[in-house]
Amino acid sequence: GAVVSQHPSRVICKSGTSVKIECRSLDFQATTMFWYRQFPKQSLMLMATSNEGSKATYEQGVEKDKFLINHASLTLSTLTVTSAHPEDSSFYICSARKNEQFFGPGTRLTVL
Amino acid sequence: AQKITQTQPGMFVQEKEAVTLDCTYDTSDQSYGLFWYKQPSSGEMIFLIYQGSYDEQNATEGRYSLNFQKARKSANLVISASQLGDSAMYFCAMREGPRGSTLGRLYFGRGTQLTVWP
Repeated sequence: GAVVSQHPSRVICKSGTSVKIECRSLDFQATTMFWYRQFPKQSLMLMATSNEGSKATYEQGVEKDKFLINHASLTLSTLTVTSAHPEDSSFYICSARKNEQFFGPGTRLTVL
Repeated sequence: AQKITQTQPGMFVQEKEAVTLDCTYDTSDQSYGLFWYKQPSSGEMIFLIYQGSYDEQNATEGRYSLNFQKARKSANLVISASQLGDSAMYFCAMREGPRGSTLGRLYFGRGTQLTVWP
C-alpha cells in the first residue's frame, strides 16, 4: 500500500499565530512530497515541492517566508503557516511520491 | 495555456445510468500520465484510474473506465451504473514525463461536480 497521513485534520487558530501541519508517508519512503492549497469549490493549487534534505521549490506567487516547508526525513514533511491571517484559511493537502503521488486526507485551517 | 481543461462545472445523472466526465489536456511531452481523482465533501483525494500515454488499451477499474483518445488529447472518465455515493467533485490531472520522473508534478483541472439523483 501507499498511505499518507496528515495531522491535524482540522485546526482553528487566532490571527498572528503560527500553525504546523505534518505530512507522513506511513508505509513507504518519499524523497519528494508536495503541498497543495484548495479554496472552496476550486481546484488544487500546488504551493511547493518538498525534497528531503534540500530546500523546497515554491511555485510562483507563494511566499516562502509565510509558508515554511521542512522535509527532514524520508517520511515526514511539515508546512508551517507563519503569522496566520484569515485569508490563509483554506484546505491544505499534501501528497507523497512513490512513482505516483498519494494524497493525505487534508487539513482544514481556519484563522479567526 | 491550461494544461488540463474540464469544461463541465456540474453534471447530473440518475442512479444506475452511465455518465461521462470530459477532460482534455495539453502537452508536448511524448511520455505522460493521466489521472482521475474523486473528492467527496470530506476533502480526501481518492485515486480512481490511471492511463499512461503509451498504454494502448483504455484503462478500466471496476465501474470506471477512461476513454483515451490520444490524437484528440482527451481522457474522459466514464462511470457506469452510477450510485448515490458517486456524488462528489471529480478532478482530471496530468503528470508530464515518465512514471517516477523527478519532475512528477501534477496539473489539475478545475473539476466537475457530479450529482447522482435517485
